[in-house]
Amino acid sequence: GDSVTQMEGPVTLSEEAFLTINCTYTATGYPSLFWYVQYPGEGLQLLLKATKADDKGSNKGFEATYRKETTSFHLEKGSVQVSDSAVYFCALGTSNTGKLIFGQGTTLQVKP
Amino acid sequence: DGGITQSPKYLFRKEGQNVTLSCEQNLNHDAMYWYRQDPGQGLRLIYYSQIVNDFQKGDIAEGYSVSREKKESFPLTVTSAQKNPTAFYLCAGGDADYGYTFGSGTRLTVV
Repeated sequence: GDSVTQMEGPVTLSEEAFLTINCTYTATGYPSLFWYVQYPGEGLQLLLKATKADDKGSNKGFEATYRKETTSFHLEKGSVQVSDSAVYFCALGTSNTGKLIFGQGTTLQVKP
Repeated sequence: DGGITQSPKYLFRKEGQNVTLSCEQNLNHDAMYWYRQDPGQGLRLIYYSQIVNDFQKGDIAEGYSVSREKKESFPLTVTSAQKNPTAFYLCAGGDADYGYTFGSGTRLTVV
């Protein structure tokens, strides 16, 4: 079945460091891909999305490119801030199943 | 503002009791979803509904029930058959093309 695999956390970085969180997927159809962010005690907020191969999603300095050849959707940010500390989830959704499937989440901690 | 509204924010359940979590939306989404999140864990799908009066089991449906009588509403009942209900419950609406919007969650605790 469809699945999403994220890199293990936690990831600890200093402020202004470069961030990469790896995400790979397995899907039988043509999924849309998403990154969500969750702050403590809150629900999930959509960070960015891409609906087809080679699309680049971007928001608030974060970027991710839908790579069909490597089945990946890695999240990147050039310079992280303390306020970026949160849990990040990679997810896929397919129109045929209607389901949204999540990776395990990666905790990011940014230190001043 | 449009969105997904979950209530209550905190809920306490006694042993053997059924409780119902509310989820309402004004985004006109056909599809709605319920997820469970345990501490330090990812999200697991409980039930989902792609249209009014129809719903499907997710990966962990045992001990839960849902209804979808109106497009705007998708309540989740945690029954006494759910042996370990303490968790954070998240409701969502949307689809693969539009994206998925989440509510702010309900934290359920067994007392």
